Amino acid sequence: AQSVTQLDSQVPVFEEAPVELRCNYSSSVSVYLFWYVQYPNQGLQLLLKYLSGSTLVESINGFEAEFNKSQTSFHLRKPSVHISDTAEYFCAVSVEGYSTLTFGKGTMLLVSP
Amino acid sequence: ETGVTQSPTHLIKTRGQQVTLRCSSQSGHNTVSWYQQALGQGPQFIFQYYREEENGRGNFPPRFSGLQFPNYSSELNVNALELDDSALYLCASSLAGTSGIGKAQYFGPGTRLTVL
Repeated sequence: AQSVTQLDSQVPVFEEAPVELRCNYSSSVSVYLFWYVQYPNQGLQLLLKYLSGSTLVESINGFEAEFNKSQTSFHLRKPSVHISDTAEYFCAVSVEGYSTLTFGKGTMLLVSP
Repeated sequence: ETGVTQSPTHLIKTRGQQVTLRCSSQSGHNTVSWYQQALGQGPQFIFQYYREEENGRGNFPPRFSGLQFPNYSSELNVNALELDDSALYLCASSLAGTSGIGKAQYFGPGTRLTVL
């Protein structure tokens, strides 16, 4: 079975500072990797996904994540955060042959002025 | 393009009662998955439906059941509600090929269930 570890439950950062949210996974087979964002009292929004090809994937709002197979990681980064990026971020994995998602426990990104 | 919708938004039930939650898939999607998100936790997979058949199930008891309709909408039914069933229930849809395997899943806003 696969699992996802998000090492930080909360990451406080000042506006315009860079941020990295860490995600490590465990799986014995090939994986697909996802980052979802959840704003307060809302559902999950797909932020970006790695299915195959280039290991660096980007979202439309400036986030990027890099799939590192040797380190089994898929860390999320943004060079300059905004107040509006304050939200809970979930890393998720599905394995080849299945589409169900296994989620980490989430990281709360708190951006302050 | 219509996104995933869920109803109701909020629901309060008492222990032992039964509840039905509803989900409409994103247009063009043929697979629906349900997840339970307890407070402060990541979502946990309940089950998935493809072509009106259950296509995978997580570690949830049989009192959690579901349906998928020909228009790909879905229901989640929970019988004999327990206090621990209080959670946000999320529906996600995806487009699966003939193997029944999709890739990215798109989530609805969720139904907040409170069991007293």
